[in-house]
Amino acid sequence: GQNIDQPTEMTATEGAIVQINCTYQTSGFNGLFWYQQHAGEAPTFLSYNVLDGLEEKGRFSSFLSRSKGYSYLLLKELQMKDSASYLCAVTNAGKSTFGDGTTLTVKP
Amino acid sequence: GAVVSQHPSWVICKSGTSVKIECRSLDFQATTMFWYRQFPKQSLMLMATSNEGSKATYEQGVEKDKFLINHASLTLSTLTVTSAHPEDSSFYICSAIGGGRDQPQHFGDGTRLSIL
Repeated sequence: GQNIDQPTEMTATEGAIVQINCTYQTSGFNGLFWYQQHAGEAPTFLSYNVLDGLEEKGRFSSFLSRSKGYSYLLLKELQMKDSASYLCAVTNAGKSTFGDGTTLTVKP
Repeated sequence: GAVVSQHPSWVICKSGTSVKIECRSLDFQATTMFWYRQFPKQSLMLMATSNEGSKATYEQGVEKDKFLINHASLTLSTLTVTSAHPEDSSFYICSAIGGGRDQPQHFGDGTRLSIL
């Protein structure tokens, strides 16, 4: 089966750094995606990890440890517009299984 | 970047009506398209996977006779909710990938379906 866990909600302050964790137990693994979804909108792609380690893309970084079934998304220099839901998704054989998402609220 | 267009954005209709939702990849050929359903504050639930020219693969518990999927070309997939009822009200989102199987999914803007 597929089981993906993320915290339900997080709150952080504008300008700060926040780390959103994702743990997974899945029957297969090809890679892990992170998506951002604003309320009422469709998800947008943020990052993709296939190998262990850190992938950096501007203010966003994502880390993967396949042996631990663990990933995190790191957001730096938080902005108000970063308030959104962040979805962790494990892909296997062309299909993605999504976590329930972490709702991040950025406060001034 | 890759763009996926989903239409319509909103549908409000009476119970018993059939509703068709279109999903188009505008600047790439979508080898695979996915259809999801999302309830408020919940995650994306995969309904079916469709590949051009072949029958869609439905997830367990999804009625294939109720949710008809057609993937007629490499740029178009349609989802028809047949004889819709209030419990079918939801946010439906399509996504598409081109090239390799583990490419990021490009999502349409979603369709909010309300059945009265």
